[in-house]
Amino acid sequence: AQSVTQPDIHITVSEGASLELRCNYSYGATPYLFWYVQSPGQGLQLLLKYFSGDTLVQGIKGFEAEFKRSQSSFNLRKPSVHWSDAAEYFCAVEDTGTASKLTFGTGTRLQVTL
Amino acid sequence: GAGVSQTPSNKVTEKGKYVELRCDPISGHTALYWYRQSLGQGPEFLIYFQGTGAADDSGLPNDRFFAVRPEGSVSTLKIQRTERGDSAVYLCASSFGQGLGYTFGSGTRLTVV
Repeated sequence: AQSVTQPDIHITVSEGASLELRCNYSYGATPYLFWYVQSPGQGLQLLLKYFSGDTLVQGIKGFEAEFKRSQSSFNLRKPSVHWSDAAEYFCAVEDTGTASKLTFGTGTRLQVTL
Repeated sequence: GAGVSQTPSNKVTEKGKYVELRCDPISGHTALYWYRQSLGQGPEFLIYFQGTGAADDSGLPNDRFFAVRPEGSVSTLKIQRTERGDSAVYLCASSFGQGLGYTFGSGTRLTVV
């Protein structure tokens, strides 16, 4: 069964600093990979997704992620964090079989200090 | 509609009661999913509909949970004999299909007291 690990439960960065959130997955084939962001009391918003092709994908709000097959990783990055980026971030892998369901990591809470 | 709508946004119920949670997906989305998110956790898959039929209900925790989508649009998640452990945010998502991205609703926060 597929699984997703987000090793960092909580990260604090200063506004303007760079950010990297880690995500490792376990899946038998080439996965579909996603990053979602969740603000308090809100639903999940898709930041970016990887299906195939270029391993560096660009998303909304200045985020990008790099798929590294050899490391089973899909880390999220942003060169300069804004205070409004404070939220919970979830990495997810989609079952590419018939079920088409997402398996999420436990999330990383990002705090931004001014 | 423009997004996935879930009602109610909050529901408080007494242990042992029956509850229904509603999801109105994006018009035209054939796939509909229910997830449950407990405090401090990522969402966990409950059930997936393709059209009117439940294509995968492997995530439903027990037979107290049931979901329907009779006309291939609106879905209702039904929980019988609620327990305090059922307290969570229930999220609905819809999609045109596999690999095409999901749109999530804002969720229903269920509290069983």
